[in-house]
Amino acid sequence: GAVVSQHPSRVICKSGTSVKIECRSLDFQATTMFWYRQFPKQSLMLMATSNEGSKATYEQGVEKDKFLINHASLTLSTLTVTSAHPEDSSFYICSAREDRREQYFGPGTRLTVT
Amino acid sequence: TQLLEQSPQFLSIQEGENLTVYCNSSSVFSSLQWYRQEPGEGPVLLVTVVTGGEVKKLKRLTFQFGDARKDSSLHITAAQPGDTGLYLCAGPAGSSNTGKLIFGQGTTLQVKP
Repeated sequence: GAVVSQHPSRVICKSGTSVKIECRSLDFQATTMFWYRQFPKQSLMLMATSNEGSKATYEQGVEKDKFLINHASLTLSTLTVTSAHPEDSSFYICSAREDRREQYFGPGTRLTVT
Repeated sequence: TQLLEQSPQFLSIQEGENLTVYCNSSSVFSSLQWYRQEPGEGPVLLVTVVTGGEVKKLKRLTFQFGDARKDSSLHITAAQPGDTGLYLCAGPAGSSNTGKLIFGQGTTLQVKP
């Protein structure tokens, strides 16, 4: 199957700083990428949908100025958590799909804000 | 609002036992998917069911899609410690093929040796 990678796998940052998470499709062109957030032992919550070359669409309740999403190429989307706070600590997962095909998930990024 | 309710949320069983996980909704879904997720990793797709009444088997796992396409079940026969993980059902959000998925709350399965 298709491969989606995320970098970094784990990151620790201090409160007030910003952190960038990358999501890459390794062997297909990701026309659409999705960003999810997952708390321990809980399900995935969709944060936003990004289509290559256009602005991301955020789900209700997700602050777009806090979670900046860029999908500048067909293989890369980035999520930047700005002015991070401890409550932003979570497991962030991206997924990607080419056109209307099956969606593939990345391995996730564990963010800890101290 | 589309919702997927999974039950049970937690399940701890002995190796060799059978179990069933349920995924229910009041909404009709064009398809439902089952994922397995291990700690610190992303979810991995196990199966997609698309036809009402459909039954799919994956080794010791049996997946069923309800006739009305509102519910699905996952049955594991003779569970093994390697089956331990978080099992998630998911379905397409809305009627258009945006790719958005809504997930059930998940079922955490622990299989003790």
